[in-house]
Amino acid sequence: AQKVTQAQTEISVVEKEDVTLDCVYETRDTTYYLFWYKQPPSGELVFLIRRNSFDEQNEISGRYSWNFQKSTSSFNFTITASQVVDSAVYFCALSEGFSGSNYKLTFGKGTLLTVNP
Amino acid sequence: GAVVSQHPSWVICKSGTSVKIECRSLDFQATTMFWYRQFPKQSLMLMATSNEGSKATYEQGVEKDKFLINHASLTLSTLTVTSAHPEDSSFYICSANSRDGGAVEQYFGPGTRLTVT
Repeated sequence: AQKVTQAQTEISVVEKEDVTLDCVYETRDTTYYLFWYKQPPSGELVFLIRRNSFDEQNEISGRYSWNFQKSTSSFNFTITASQVVDSAVYFCALSEGFSGSNYKLTFGKGTLLTVNP
Repeated sequence: GAVVSQHPSWVICKSGTSVKIECRSLDFQATTMFWYRQFPKQSLMLMATSNEGSKATYEQGVEKDKFLINHASLTLSTLTVTSAHPEDSSFYICSANSRDGGAVEQYFGPGTRLTVT
């Protein structure tokens, strides 16, 4: 069975600090997708990134960056120079398989990030 | 990007009544939709996978007679919470798969907050 662990329940930082959110996953499949979503207080999930299991390149998008390491089954997310608007719950998720209709996601428990001014 | 809507965005009902929540893919056809439930300060838990024209597949522990799912068309899936009780109060989120060429993308609705009094 697949499992996603986000060990950090809550993180509090001061604006402009860098912060890394950890994600460790378990799966028996060799093909899978990993995701990060942001959930602000409004509740709507905001898609941040999808990474397939064959692509271990790190990715940077503005202040966001992701580090995918299959050797440690981790997919960590770093926010550089955090801002108050980054305050939200962040979820890491896993989907086994690459295609077809069975695309259901297993979510981690989420990390509540609070960025203080 | 593709848009998934949910209606209503919030609903309050009395214990013992039934509530229907709609999930629509607005600009694409979704052969598969998913229903998730999220209790306060908790993660999203998959309830069921809904395929157009066939019976939904429920996750272990989810009562199919209590949470009726109908996927009557390629753009609409409904979740009916029958004989709702206060413990059913939760945030219900749907998602829909869209196939674009060889890739499958998943889009989330904004969620429906159900409060049972």
